[in-house]
Amino acid sequence: DVKVTQSSRYLVKRTGEKVFLECVQDMDHENMFWYRQDPGLGLRLIYFSYDVKMKEKGDIPEGYSVSREKKERFSLILESASTNQTSMYLCASSLIGMNTEAFFGQGTRLTVV
Amino acid sequence: GNSVTQMEGPVTLSEEAFLTINCTYTATGYPSLFWYVQYPGEGLQLLLKATKADDKGSNKGFEATYRKETTSFHLEKGSVQVSDSAVYFCALRTSYQKVTFGTGTKLQVIP
Repeated sequence: DVKVTQSSRYLVKRTGEKVFLECVQDMDHENMFWYRQDPGLGLRLIYFSYDVKMKEKGDIPEGYSVSREKKERFSLILESASTNQTSMYLCASSLIGMNTEAFFGQGTRLTVV
Repeated sequence: GNSVTQMEGPVTLSEEAFLTINCTYTATGYPSLFWYVQYPGEGLQLLLKATKADDKGSNKGFEATYRKETTSFHLEKGSVQVSDSAVYFCALRTSYQKVTFGTGTKLQVIP
């Protein structure tokens, strides 16, 4: 069974902290994505990666960075967490190809206080 | 750019009622279209998809038809159950990379 695993379901961090969200997939997918989900705004793409060490900005990259050192792992980094980054973060992966579906992790609910 | 517009929710229906959730899109080229579902406390999972005009995707009693002339992909189910209560997302993909999602429609089915 395919699986995308996010390291934490819930996180509480303080303003100004550096925060790491980890995501691992076991499907040998080339593409990996980080979205944030907010009420009324749906899913907004933060960053995606189409290969190891390759990344592209999504629609809302400000305040975030990413790292992909291995094919199966994609990390989202909040360099200095702020309260407006309180959100649900969803990681996804997919094969290359416009007909392919994305597989999602269960999400990380991040609260910045 | 690409965009997806869904009807605003929440949608509240009685069990066994007919469901329609509207979805229209704007895209360059010819996208693939998807419906994803998110049950409470979970991530998204694929419900159905259609990859070319006039294709019908179906799964678990849900259906959606890719209408190129109206740029629409409306989700329908003939008889909803309480277990269908979830948030439904329409999405499109025009390249090998990005997926564009709508804002989601929350469905609540009451017994």
